[in-house]
Amino acid sequence: GAGVSQTPSNKVTEKGKYVELRCDPISGHTALYWYRQSLGQGPEFLIYFQGTGAADDSGLPNDRFFAVRPEGSVSTLKIQRTERGDSAVYLCASSPRTGGTGELFFGEGSRLTVL
Amino acid sequence: DAKTTQPPSMDCAEGRAANLPCNHSTISGNEYVYWYRQIHSQGPQYIIHGLKNNETNEMASLIITEDRKSSTLILPHATLRDTAVYYCIVRVANAGNMLTFGGGTRLMVKP
Repeated sequence: GAGVSQTPSNKVTEKGKYVELRCDPISGHTALYWYRQSLGQGPEFLIYFQGTGAADDSGLPNDRFFAVRPEGSVSTLKIQRTERGDSAVYLCASSPRTGGTGELFFGEGSRLTVL
Repeated sequence: DAKTTQPPSMDCAEGRAANLPCNHSTISGNEYVYWYRQIHSQGPQYIIHGLKNNETNEMASLIITEDRKSSTLILPHATLRDTAVYYCIVRVANAGNMLTFGGGTRLMVKP
């Protein structure tokens, strides 16, 4: 079966541009998570969705970052006015449900480079 | 969630057991211990989790001390493909499944 799919796998953009990163979770998974990972660091939580709503967006670094999941499946992470410090691998994960002892299934990430 | 402490790096000979320690001295009674690993250029992968009993699956064994303040992940026969960063995470059950990653242990399996 298909795992978590993230596109694009690589994105190079210029400072100040707008970027969208897409995550297609495992079918039927209601919970979806976005993480950001800088070189040599562990993944850093950004936001998670339960269904269509953002249940916790406390990890978003500032208002240039926004994420949506309008139909409770695919999610898009949107970054406005990109800065060089936004360069990182953006990871998406999904799980069947929140709570309990559910594990997270991660995609391979979208590597963003801001020049 | 409780903080964990892991050695930054470890080496292991191929075919030998790899024992990765983790300290979580402030763990609460309702917090589980999770282990994930991340192979270069891939997303993290779930390995195993436990509450207080030792656990074993096809990938690894998890040994949790009786006071739950530390644990050890055991890869019984390490292979070169087990070279990765291993993350020990403690998480409150029913907390949205959000995981807080630390720096992890970089395990290098050598021939």
